[in-house]
Amino acid sequence: DVKVTQSSRYLVKRTGEKVFLECVQDMDHENMFWYRQDPGLGLRLIYFSYDVKMKEKGDIPEGYSVSREKKERFSLILESASTNQTSMYLCASSLGWGNTGELFFGEGSRLTVL
Amino acid sequence: GENVEQHPSTLSVQEGDSAVIKCTYSDSASNYFPWYKQELGKGPQLIIDIRSNVGEKKDQRIAVTLNKTAKHFSLHITETQPEDSAVYFCAASTSNYQLIWGAGTKLIIKP
Repeated sequence: DVKVTQSSRYLVKRTGEKVFLECVQDMDHENMFWYRQDPGLGLRLIYFSYDVKMKEKGDIPEGYSVSREKKERFSLILESASTNQTSMYLCASSLGWGNTGELFFGEGSRLTVL
Repeated sequence: GENVEQHPSTLSVQEGDSAVIKCTYSDSASNYFPWYKQELGKGPQLIIDIRSNVGEKKDQRIAVTLNKTAKHFSLHITETQPEDSAVYFCAASTSNYQLIWGAGTKLIIKP
């Protein structure tokens, strides 16, 4: 089974802190994604990556950055956390080109910024 | 811009009855339409998908129908069971190979 592991299920941070969310997948997938999930808004794509050291902006990249130094690991970074970044963050991976194949999601990281 | 509208936001049905969730999309170039199920405390999981070259697809109690002319697609769950309780998301592909997601439907199965 594909496994996508997000290192932190729950985090509480203060405004202005730097936040790292880590994601690891074990199926050698080319593509990895970071989504943000908010009630009534569905899933919104923050960043994605099709290869090591490659990144592309999604729909809501402002206030976020990402890092992909190894194929299996994709990190989301909040340089200076703000209260409007309180949310559920979902990491996903997929095989093959594009976003038209099955996405495998982690269990999510719920971030609260005080 | 591109968007996907999903209705209803909450659906409560009696166990054993059918449930239907509907989505409409705006991008005429969309050609891939997946449905994901998110159980409490877990990430979304693909349950069924359909591509634009077919009008219907079934997998046991779950079916998806697509009307490209009207730009809408629907998820049908028959003989609902308690384990069907979850949040369901529809999505549509975009011309740059990404997905646009609906807002989600919370399905409640009443015993």
